[in-house]
Amino acid sequence: GNSVTQMEGPVTLSEEAFLTINCTYTATGYPSLFWYVQYPGEGLQLLLKATKADDKGSNKGFEATYRKETTSFHLEKGSVQVSDSAVYFCALSVRPSKIIFGSGTRLSIRP
Amino acid sequence: DTAVSQTPKYLVTQMGNDKSIKCEQNLGHDTMYWYKQDSKKFLKIMFSYNNKELIINETVPNRFSPKSPDKAHLNLHINSLELGDSAVYFCASSLDRGNTDTQYFGPGTRLTVL
Repeated sequence: GNSVTQMEGPVTLSEEAFLTINCTYTATGYPSLFWYVQYPGEGLQLLLKATKADDKGSNKGFEATYRKETTSFHLEKGSVQVSDSAVYFCALSVRPSKIIFGSGTRLSIRP
Repeated sequence: DTAVSQTPKYLVTQMGNDKSIKCEQNLGHDTMYWYKQDSKKFLKIMFSYNNKELIINETVPNRFSPKSPDKAHLNLHINSLELGDSAVYFCASSLDRGNTDTQYFGPGTRLTVL
């Protein structure tokens, strides 16, 4: 079946540290891949996406590259800020209208 | 203007009651969704509607009944509430139902069943 596995949190970093949140997937067919972010008390919002192999999604200093050979879509940011503290969800979509989310990774950034 | 709005934001009720959550989007999207997020933040799709037509029903108990009076609205009615229904319910919408489409989420409704 289709599924997403992402690294368990919580992840705690100091401001300006380098961030990686690992995400791997299992899918039939050719999925689109997404990172969504959920700030405290809010709904999810799209952070970035990639729709085919080798595509790189980027937004707000975050990047992720769709790696078909390793079935991965790791999220990276070179220098995190306190305002990046949130829960991050990796997700895939194969079937129209259906997104499958990973379990979420809580990120906390210390000033 | 809020793109996807839900009411109420908080809902506290007793077991056995019936309650509704309303969702509206002003983005002109054709597809709307309901998700359930449990206490561990795990998010699972419940229903999806495209142009008022049900297209996904993820083995949700039939105590849950979605209703889409028009493309901009998708309401969720829950009968005979149980303790396990306590969760945050998110409404979302997307332009169409393709697998590359971005979904836009509402702020959530926190349901507590006592």
